Amino acid sequence: AQTVTQSQPEMSVQEAETVTLSCTYDTSESDYYLFWYKQPPSRQMILVIRQEAYKQQNATENRFSVNFQKAAKSFSLKISDSQLGDAAMYFCAYGEGLGGGADGLTFGKGTHLIIQP
Amino acid sequence: GAGVSQTPSNKVTEKGKYVELRCDPISGHTALYWYRQSLGQGPEFLIYFQGTGAADDSGLPNDRFFAVRPEGSVSTLKIQRTERGDSAVYLCASRFGQGVNSPLHFGNGTRLTVT
Repeated sequence: AQTVTQSQPEMSVQEAETVTLSCTYDTSESDYYLFWYKQPPSRQMILVIRQEAYKQQNATENRFSVNFQKAAKSFSLKISDSQLGDAAMYFCAYGEGLGGGADGLTFGKGTHLIIQP
Repeated sequence: GAGVSQTPSNKVTEKGKYVELRCDPISGHTALYWYRQSLGQGPEFLIYFQGTGAADDSGLPNDRFFAVRPEGSVSTLKIQRTERGDSAVYLCASRFGQGVNSPLHFGNGTRLTVT
């Protein structure tokens, strides 16, 4: 079974600074997708960014970018120019390819990100 | 347009009671998922519907848990003889079509507390 590990239960960063959240995963598959979700106190999971394993180029979405190291099975999230609204739980997630099976996601335990004003 | 709606937002029940949790997905979304998120954990997959049928229920922890989606839209997660260990946030998500590359849309969850 696939596993997703987030080794940082909590991270703190000053507003406007940069922070990196770590994630490693274990899989024997070659085609898969990786995601970072944000969960504010409202409990709704919000997609931040996603990466297709077959793409070598790291995904970016405005202030959010990833460092995807396929051989190392590492998928870290970098948040630049941190804002107070970025404070939330962040979950790394793994999903497999098209059709068949559950197509559900396997989530890590999450990292609580605190933004210091 | 409305997102994924889950009701109730919070539910408190006594041990041994029966509960139903409702999920109203985004209109037109054929795939629907239930996840359970225990305190301090990430969401864990419970069951996946494609249309009206449960395509994968391998995540349901035991036979006290059951889910239906009779018309391919609204889904109900049913828990019989609730136990204190069932206390968690139950998240519902939907997507259009199949395939993990189609974005998942989550609801705000139902927080179930079993006393």
